[in-house]
Amino acid sequence: SQTIHQWPATLVQPVGSPLSLECTVEGTSNPNLYWYRQAAGRGLQLLFYSVGIGQISSEVPQNLSASRPQDRQFILSSKKLLLSDSGFYLCAWSATGANYGYTFGSGTRLTVV
Amino acid sequence: QQQVKQSPQSLIVQKGGISIINCAYENTAFDYFPWYQQFPGKGPALLIAIRPDVSEKKEGRFTISFNKSAKQFSLHIMDSQPGDSATYFCAASRMGSARQLTFGSGTQLTVLP
Repeated sequence: SQTIHQWPATLVQPVGSPLSLECTVEGTSNPNLYWYRQAAGRGLQLLFYSVGIGQISSEVPQNLSASRPQDRQFILSSKKLLLSDSGFYLCAWSATGANYGYTFGSGTRLTVV
Repeated sequence: QQQVKQSPQSLIVQKGGISIINCAYENTAFDYFPWYQQFPGKGPALLIAIRPDVSEKKEGRFTISFNKSAKQFSLHIMDSQPGDSATYFCAASRMGSARQLTFGSGTQLTVLP
């Protein structure tokens, strides 16, 4: 069966510090991968998606970047965090073809102080 | 045209009652309509989904009603239970290799005991 791992679960970082959040998927190959951000009490904002290694599409201009160095690995990064980067970050994957459903990871609660 | 509008923002229902959450979309190219359930501090989980070739889909106490001509779909939770208290997101996606989901803004459901 497929599983998605996301870490860390919580993170407190000072303003101006770098960020690296990692997401890996097991049990499938060539998944579509996604990074979402959810502000407190708000909806889900798509940040990046990837359909293959090295292929990254950005949905929202911001202080963040994403990379996909391996087929089932998706990384969200920032060189210098802003207070506004605080939020709940969610990684998700979907299979190409007939399976349309997204499966989300357990999320990372990021607080920038 | 990519928006999915969800209402109400919050909903309080007595135990045993019916919870109804509505969504409307604009893009007629959407062909997949899932609902996600999210508990605090967790990632959203797929609850139930429907394709536009059917008008209703039922899974246990959860039913999706779909009105293609009106471009609306809704989630009905029968015999609502306190354990159903969560945030619910509707979503829609269109043909494309990345199967990007467009999410509604979410409904916070509280079921009173």
